[in-house]
Amino acid sequence: NAGVMQNPRHLVRRRGQEARLRCSPMKGHSHVYWYRQLPEEGLKFMVYLQKENIIDESGMPKERFSAEFPKEGPSILRIQQVVRGDSAAYFCASSKDRDTEAFFGQGTRLTVV
Amino acid sequence: QKEVEQNSGPLSVPEGAIASLNCTYSDRVSQSFFWYRQYSGKSPELIMSIYSNGDKEDGRFTAQLNKASQYVSLLIRDSQPSDSATYLCAVSGGSNFGNEKLTFGTGTRLTIIP
Repeated sequence: NAGVMQNPRHLVRRRGQEARLRCSPMKGHSHVYWYRQLPEEGLKFMVYLQKENIIDESGMPKERFSAEFPKEGPSILRIQQVVRGDSAAYFCASSKDRDTEAFFGQGTRLTVV
Repeated sequence: QKEVEQNSGPLSVPEGAIASLNCTYSDRVSQSFFWYRQYSGKSPELIMSIYSNGDKEDGRFTAQLNKASQYVSLLIRDSQPSDSATYLCAVSGGSNFGNEKLTFGTGTRLTIIP
């Protein structure tokens, strides 16, 4: 049973480009969470999604960031017009239900040059 | 005041000793508490979850929760060099019991000295 799969593992983008980060939850999991970890800082919640629905996006920057979790396919975190400050590790986690434990993927390390 | 506070360390413990990691949280209505282990450059790995006051043991790990004091701790018995990592305390809950919107502390870096 594969764990949470994220790709790409490493992503380099120039300032102004778009970054697309993908997350496939564990089999049987329908709840997906995205977190960002800046260097030497803790994990910060960004968004919580269920299939086709955004449940909580209170941690998402208002501009340039969006997330989706379509009926078919992985969850996508999209960052438009990236800036150097977006450089971070982006982790996805999934859980079976709201009140069960969440498991993390290996993360996508975004570097903006 | 930070929502979840941990001593950043580093905490050095001799091999075979007990490592004690502490965490306090500010939201009184928090319901769920988790400890994650994160090796450098890797993803967080769930170690323990605890939901009610008292102790919960799993192998060499014991989580302790005191909601009145808003305090949660992790004890690691018979510490091994492989336990050297950053330990993240995470809290969730609020109006709903569940693990959405985990709030993490900045982590305590633990080093086990052979």
